[in-house]
Amino acid sequence: SYELTQPPSLSVSPGQTAIITCSGEKLGHTYACWYQQKPGQSPLLVIYEDTKRPSGIPQRFAGSSSGNTATLTITGTQSIDEADYYCQTWDDTTGVFGPGTRVTVL
Amino acid sequence: EVQLVQSGAEVKKPGESLRISCKGSGYSFTNYWITWVRQMPGKGLEWMGRLDPSDSFPDYSPSFEGHITLSVDRSISTVFLELNSLTASDNATYYCARHQEDYNFGSGFDHWGQGTLVTVSS
Repeated sequence: SYELTQPPSLSVSPGQTAIITCSGEKLGHTYACWYQQKPGQSPLLVIYEDTKRPSGIPQRFAGSSSGNTATLTITGTQSIDEADYYCQTWDDTTGVFGPGTRVTVL
Repeated sequence: EVQLVQSGAEVKKPGESLRISCKGSGYSFTNYWITWVRQMPGKGLEWMGRLDPSDSFPDYSPSFEGHITLSVDRSISTVFLELNSLTASDNATYYCARHQEDYNFGSGFDHWGQGTLVTVSS
């Protein structure tokens, strides 16, 4: 089955930039989305179609894609950004989530 | 305001079946697909399947096909997830989520239900 690869964890200091990668052989042909999930909460869409931000998502969240890797960049990371982040794409019509990256702000 | 409201927590015995509901409001219910996602305790998100409420067409993940059934009751704007022959492996939180745009797989899931916690225990 198709899999996506993410780093399991990432630590960043407040105000610094967090870069989360998501690799998968089909990402060059399909869009990636990114979701933020905080403890006890439902996931929140932060990036769709590789680069687009839904309304209400701060500008410090940015998405990009190159080759088989999608990237979520959080510029000027704040303590409220501490969460798990999941990439997601499609294998034909089957949805696939990455394993998630835990971002710690300290 | 778009809302997806799921049914409450459930406690079931092994071998039993379970149906979770997801009621949509604040939008044209039949114009947006609904996806279901499983999250086992302390684990990541898993895509289970999606349903087109306009025609009841389901699309199941191979990982869940045969174990789940997706259905809809358009008269009450509600999509259902049925889990069969429950085991301890079904202990999880289940989420419904709305596709931002039909037929645009890259548009993502823009609204989520609050989640339904399922506990399977003898």
